[in-house]
Amino acid sequence: QVQLVESGGGVVQPGRSLRLSCAASGFTLSSYGMHWVRQAPGRGLEWVAVISYDGSKIYYAESVKGRFTISRDNSKNTLFLQMNSLRAEDTAVYYCAKAKYTGTGQLDYWGQGTLVTVSS
Amino acid sequence: DIQMTQSPSTLSASVGDRVTITCRASQSIDTWLAWYQQKPGKAPKLLIYKASSLESGVPSKFSGSGSGTEFILTISSLQPDDFATYYCQQYKTFSQTFGQGTKVEIK
Repeated sequence: QVQLVESGGGVVQPGRSLRLSCAASGFTLSSYGMHWVRQAPGRGLEWVAVISYDGSKIYYAESVKGRFTISRDNSKNTLFLQMNSLRAEDTAVYYCAKAKYTGTGQLDYWGQGTLVTVSS
Repeated sequence: DIQMTQSPSTLSASVGDRVTITCRASQSIDTWLAWYQQKPGKAPKLLIYKASSLESGVPSKFSGSGSGTEFILTISSLQPDDFATYYCQQYKTFSQTFGQGTKVEIK
């Protein structure tokens, strides 16, 4: 069965960096687009970034553009989110999600999320 | 960016009620719209895609309609397990956007 497991969250000071990972299993990662979506405490869902199946197309939300980098290693079935210059407003649960198709599309499987807290 | 606006933000309903949630897009997204259900502390769950297609395993009491800029999620005969927050999402573009959510509460 499809499984997505995020890791790498934690408490980090403003201005520092953190790298999230999402381990995929139960499907061929190299065939699907992958997304990161976040949810600040008590708030709604915010789309963060997408990477197409082969890494050729990458897009970011304006709120993270220039600070976050999405990448993937299909040989290791893993998705990444490198987060630099973190701000208090980046505090959220970060979910990785599988797209139905090679890039965009509905998000048919989600991980359980990993909490990132940016605080001094 | 395409903005998505849901209404209402909160909906109070009783078990057995039929409820509708509206989602409006700032520009036409054809039928590239999905609906998700989220319960506290859990990841979102896909309910509807392509505006009206039911995801596999989702009960038929959930239905979606609409195209262009206006969409509706309908839940017939609300049950205790359906009290949750519902989000619409457009995926016409790679840069997807979600609505702000509609919390369905017990009256």
